[in-house]
Amino acid sequence: NAGVTQTPKFQVLKTGQSMTLQCAQDMNHNSMYWYRQDPGMGLRLIYYSASEGTTDKGEVPNGYNVSRLNKREFSLRLESAAPSQTSVYFCASMLIEGGEETQYFGPGTRLLVL
Amino acid sequence: EDQVTQSPEALRLQEGESSSLNCSYTVSGLRGLFWYRQDPGKGPEFLFTLYSAGEEKEKERLKATLTKKESFLHITAPKPEDSATYLCAVSADRGSTLGRLYFGRGTQLTVWP
Repeated sequence: NAGVTQTPKFQVLKTGQSMTLQCAQDMNHNSMYWYRQDPGMGLRLIYYSASEGTTDKGEVPNGYNVSRLNKREFSLRLESAAPSQTSVYFCASMLIEGGEETQYFGPGTRLLVL
Repeated sequence: EDQVTQSPEALRLQEGESSSLNCSYTVSGLRGLFWYRQDPGKGPEFLFTLYSAGEEKEKERLKATLTKKESFLHITAPKPEDSATYLCAVSADRGSTLGRLYFGRGTQLTVWP
């Protein structure tokens, strides 16, 4: 199992450009999440998808859109990138088994917006 | 408002010097408290989930405990390879927001030989 994979690993954008961050999991998890991590702040939830076909806003959704393409894939789109979106983006998926919850994270995408 | 506060922000230990990291939380309807380890340039790595006050879980040199207001991550006889940032997060029991985690800022642990 590869777990949670993210592409690309690094990206530099100019203000106003668009891009899509890709995330896939091979663990057959129902729930998937997008977080951003900024220096001096905790991870903050952008969007999440409790199951295939559903998506909901998290704490900081402005400037982002998501698509739950199928059970495996959950993409994050920046339509018009801004310097404030410079961050490290993490995708996660969650396993619920026997009353235990575990959220697994991908390796991250480091985004710089100039 | 749900909040998670971790202390200290940074901790330096000599190899073998045991210590504890603290995570205090205010959340309405705690569903679970999570501990993660994060190495530089990597994604968070799951360590533990705790669900009720009094619960304890162990993994190698790490032991996590939970009370109604806080959690501790005890590190016994740490080694340099334990150096990392340790993250605490909570989830609240609110139906459709299943799995939504609120994170603290982390404790950066450095263990020197």
